[in-house]
Amino acid sequence: KQEVTQIPAALSVPEGENLVLNCSFTDSAIYNLQWFRQDPGKGLTSLLLIQSSQREQTSGRLNASLDKSSGRSTLYIAASQPGDSATYLCAVLDSNYQLIWGAGTKLIIKP
Amino acid sequence: GAGVSQSPSNKVTEKGKDVELRCDPISGHTALYWYRQRLGQGLEFLIYFQGNSAPDKSGLPSDRFSAERTGESVSTLTIQRTQQEDSAVYLCASSSGPSGADTQYFGPGTRLTVL
Repeated sequence: KQEVTQIPAALSVPEGENLVLNCSFTDSAIYNLQWFRQDPGKGLTSLLLIQSSQREQTSGRLNASLDKSSGRSTLYIAASQPGDSATYLCAVLDSNYQLIWGAGTKLIIKP
Repeated sequence: GAGVSQSPSNKVTEKGKDVELRCDPISGHTALYWYRQRLGQGLEFLIYFQGNSAPDKSGLPSDRFSAERTGESVSTLTIQRTQQEDSAVYLCASSSGPSGADTQYFGPGTRLTVL
């Protein structure tokens, strides 16, 4: 059974710092991995989608990597801003075409 | 509308009552998903609709849960005889493709509280 774990559960850093969020999954048989952002009272926003054949994806200050063989992904945020404060969720699309979700990392960027 | 909408945004009900949650997907999206998110936990898949195919109900936690979708438009998730354990945020998502490999667009969710 696929399980997705995100570490840390919460992170608080000063504005301007670079940071890394971690996601691990137990079964390497995935089609893709996605990183989402969740803001209170709002829906989820898809940030980056990495296909299983890809190693990384970049969007602005965000870079996501995927090491399928070791079951790991990282989301790198450069030059963090207070507006980056949110919960970041990682999800893998498993062999049954279902999205399996991590519990998220709550990120707080202090001005 | 431009995005996925859900109603109501908040629902408080008494244990044992039935509730109905609504989702309006993005126009033209053939796939629609329902998820549940309990406090401090990740999302749990509930049900998946794709076009006119039979829905994937494998995530529904009990027979108290059911969902319908009219063609490729509105979907309703019904919870009968609600229990306190049903308290959660219920999220709906839609995507344009026939499989979960396509980006899912999420609604704001319905926060359900069962007293």
